[in-house]
Amino acid sequence: AQSVTQLGSHVSVSEGALVLLRCNYSSSVPPYLFWYVQYPNQGLQLLLKYTTGATLVKGINGFEAEFKKSETSFHLTKPSAHMSDAAEYFCAVSDAGANNLFFGTGTRLTVIP
Amino acid sequence: DAGITQSPRHKVTETGTPVTLRCHQTENHRYMYWYRQDPGHGLRLIHYSYGVKDTDKGEVSDGYSVSRSKTEDFLLTLESATSSQTSVYFCAISDSPGQGAEAFFGQGTRLTVV
Repeated sequence: AQSVTQLGSHVSVSEGALVLLRCNYSSSVPPYLFWYVQYPNQGLQLLLKYTTGATLVKGINGFEAEFKKSETSFHLTKPSAHMSDAAEYFCAVSDAGANNLFFGTGTRLTVIP
Repeated sequence: DAGITQSPRHKVTETGTPVTLRCHQTENHRYMYWYRQDPGHGLRLIHYSYGVKDTDKGEVSDGYSVSRSKTEDFLLTLESATSSQTSVYFCAISDSPGQGAEAFFGQGTRLTVV
């Protein structure tokens, strides 16, 4: 079964600093990969996704992620953190032909003024 | 926002009582899901549906049942609520997850079992 590991349940960065949230998956076959963001008391919103093609994927709010097959990783980055980026972030994967997504346990991002 | 409505948004119930949560979509997506979100566990799949009257279990299905009699509605029932089922429940929909389609989420239902 597919599994997703998000290293670091809490990450703190200063405003303006680089944001790096880590995600590794277990499948030996390249899956479909997603990053979602959850603001307090809200549902999840899609930030970006990788299906095929270019391995560097750009999403909303200045976020991007790079699919690295050799490392089975899909880390999320943003060059300069903003206070509004404070939220919880979830990595998810889905295999070709699968019926559902598998989610990581989430990383809570705190942005320090 | 995708047309997904969860009801109720908040509920407090007593141990041993039955509870039904409703998810309604207006997107005509084939797949519908129920997840629960708990600190330290992320989102865990309870049950999902891949069509009318077609459902399957997820990783934490014990104590829960589902029904889907119409494309747009997916019901989650706790037959006899327990304190361990206190959680935030999310409904999600997707068109074709096996082809890379993303899931869209409702706003969640906060359930407290006392």
